[in-house]
Amino acid sequence: AQSVSQHNHHVILSEAASLELGCNYSYGGTVNLFWYVQYPGQHLQLLLKYFSGDPLVKGIKGFEAEFIKSKFSFNLRKPSVQWSDTAEYFCAVRYSSASKIIFGSGTRLSIRP
Amino acid sequence: DVKVTQSSRYLVKRTGEKVFLECVQDMDHENMFWYRQDPGLGLRLIYFSYDVKMKEKGDIPEGYSVSREKKERFSLILESASTNQTSMYLCASSFSSAGKDSDTQYFGPGTRLTVL
Repeated sequence: AQSVSQHNHHVILSEAASLELGCNYSYGGTVNLFWYVQYPGQHLQLLLKYFSGDPLVKGIKGFEAEFIKSKFSFNLRKPSVQWSDTAEYFCAVRYSSASKIIFGSGTRLSIRP
Repeated sequence: DVKVTQSSRYLVKRTGEKVFLECVQDMDHENMFWYRQDPGLGLRLIYFSYDVKMKEKGDIPEGYSVSREKKERFSLILESASTNQTSMYLCASSFSSAGKDSDTQYFGPGTRLTVL
């Protein structure tokens, strides 16, 4: 079945630490990949997306993600987190054979000031 | 800026009541979606619509129906609310035609529904 997994449910980091959030999707052909973020009390918003081309994608607020086709992964990274990065992060995938986007269960990121 | 608005931020209803959640977008998007968000479960698709008067079931349509009479408006209806429908409901919209912004979903602020 087409699915997406986020293995980290809650990540706690100190400010300035490096961040990597895992995202894996099940095999199913060509995919479009997304990371969305939900800051406390705010709308879900797009952080970055991959459709094709350079597998290293840069998004807003210093985030980037790398599409590794052989590993079915699209991990989110940031070299140095800030307290303002505290949020819930959702990975999402749309398979070319499907009409809907599938969201992961989310990773809650807490940053200690 | 794309704007997706939802009729209420917070709603409290009683079991058995009929509940209407309204969503309006101002970007002429063809696609509109209703999700529910529950802790540890992420976003689950209830229904979506690719055009006026068109609807398709998502992953968890049971107990819900939808209406899309105008392009900008997508309504979610709980025919007879139950306590297990207590949740955060998110509306989203997107373009359908191929292009840079296709597939990017824009979300509303959400409606937190409590069914007593």
